[in-house]
Amino acid sequence: QVQLQESGPGLVKSSETLSLTCTVSGGSISSYYWSWIRQPPGKGLEWIGDIYYSGSTNYNPSLKSRVTISGDTSKKQFSLKLSSVTAADTAVYYCGSQHSGSYMFDYWGQGTLVTVSS
Amino acid sequence: QSALTQPASVSGSPGQSITISCTGTSSDVGSYNFVSWYQQYPGKAPKLMIYEVTKRPSGVSNRFSGSKSGNTASLTISGLQAEDEADYYCCSSASSTSWVFGGGTKLTVL
Repeated sequence: QVQLQESGPGLVKSSETLSLTCTVSGGSISSYYWSWIRQPPGKGLEWIGDIYYSGSTNYNPSLKSRVTISGDTSKKQFSLKLSSVTAADTAVYYCGSQHSGSYMFDYWGQGTLVTVSS
Repeated sequence: QSALTQPASVSGSPGQSITISCTGTSSDVGSYNFVSWYQQYPGKAPKLMIYEVTKRPSGVSNRFSGSKSGNTASLTISGLQAEDEADYYCCSSASSTSWVFGGGTKLTVL
């Protein structure tokens, strides 16, 4: 059973870069898309983007200019960088998995709250 | 891509059936049979309940079912139970490389 764990600073200053890492355990990193999904307090879910185990990436068009997702297969980790953050980027950030050929987010991390302060 | 449209809230009594709608466009829900539904309890991560419009993952009660017509997908919960009270989110492929979620629906079991 795949397990995902997000880690990173819980507080980021406005205009700076948010950085988070997701560590995968209990399964192979191969043949999966690894996603970042966020949820502002009291609001709905928003897909940020994903990375395939081969390294190819896809991003939400509304965030594409500020997002970079990268991966380190040897460490079974993938990371999110979101630049020029504002208060609107305050959210619980989840990492999630999607097996290649499936069309669902089957495993999720527990989520980590990132607050953007001024 | 805009968020899919869900009712903000629905309610039902134990034993009843409820349906949550998820309306998109011909570019997302209407174009792909890749609609999934997630259940989320407060402070918890979402849990997959339905995928590819109608399929249930192993371990999910058969009281949960999904369907789609045109640009609208639906989640039906039959035999409503107190434990079903949660937030529900739909998700659809918005292209071959992107995904869009609904705004979420709060289900209250009366």
